[in-house]
Amino acid sequence: DARVTQTPRDKVTEMGQEVTMRCQPILGHNTVFWYRQTMMQGLELLAYFRNRAPLDDSGMPKDRFSAEMPDATLATLKIQPSEPRDSAVYFCASGMTPIPYNEQFFGPGTRLTVL
Amino acid sequence: AQSVTQLDSHVSVSEGTPVLLRCNYSSSYSPSLFWYVQHPNKGLQLLLKYTSAATLVKGINGFEAEFKKSETSFHLTKPSAHMSDAAEYFCVVIRRDDKIIFGKGTRLHILP
Repeated sequence: DARVTQTPRDKVTEMGQEVTMRCQPILGHNTVFWYRQTMMQGLELLAYFRNRAPLDDSGMPKDRFSAEMPDATLATLKIQPSEPRDSAVYFCASGMTPIPYNEQFFGPGTRLTVL
Repeated sequence: AQSVTQLDSHVSVSEGTPVLLRCNYSSSYSPSLFWYVQHPNKGLQLLLKYTSAATLVKGINGFEAEFKKSETSFHLTKPSAHMSDAAEYFCVVIRRDDKIIFGKGTRLHILP
């Protein structure tokens, strides 16, 4: 049963600390998305990659956030330095082209709390 | 600019009664449209998608949606609600430039 995995599932950190979230897409999927979900803003697309190249990161705050795909089996989202307003659930999703017209498969999310 | 509006933030129905979750989009052409469901503390899961084939789209778990161009709507329905349908539902539109636009979501409550 192929699925997207995300680690950690929960993260509590203090303001100013670096946070790294990891995602393992479904094997063979060539597109990876990062989303952020909060009660106030709902679901926001932060960035997505196709064949490991960033395609759209217009939704991501550039000053503190960065997203990379070191290889086809790992995507990372880093926040440095973290702030309380970054508290949210971060979802990774993967899929196959033609994205975005094909289904996205979502991971279980990383719940981030910044104190 | 293309957008998607989910008309109700919360909907409550009794178990066994029909479900209607409303979604309207604004577009000058026929977009690609999706419905996703999110159960508590879970990621989103695709229910169904419309990509300009049949206007009535059948999805998983007994859900279906009808694309009505004249009304710019893509409402989600189910004939008989089940307790396990309690979740948040997102209508999604894909813009011509491939931007993904999520609706604000509708939380469905099922009353016993």
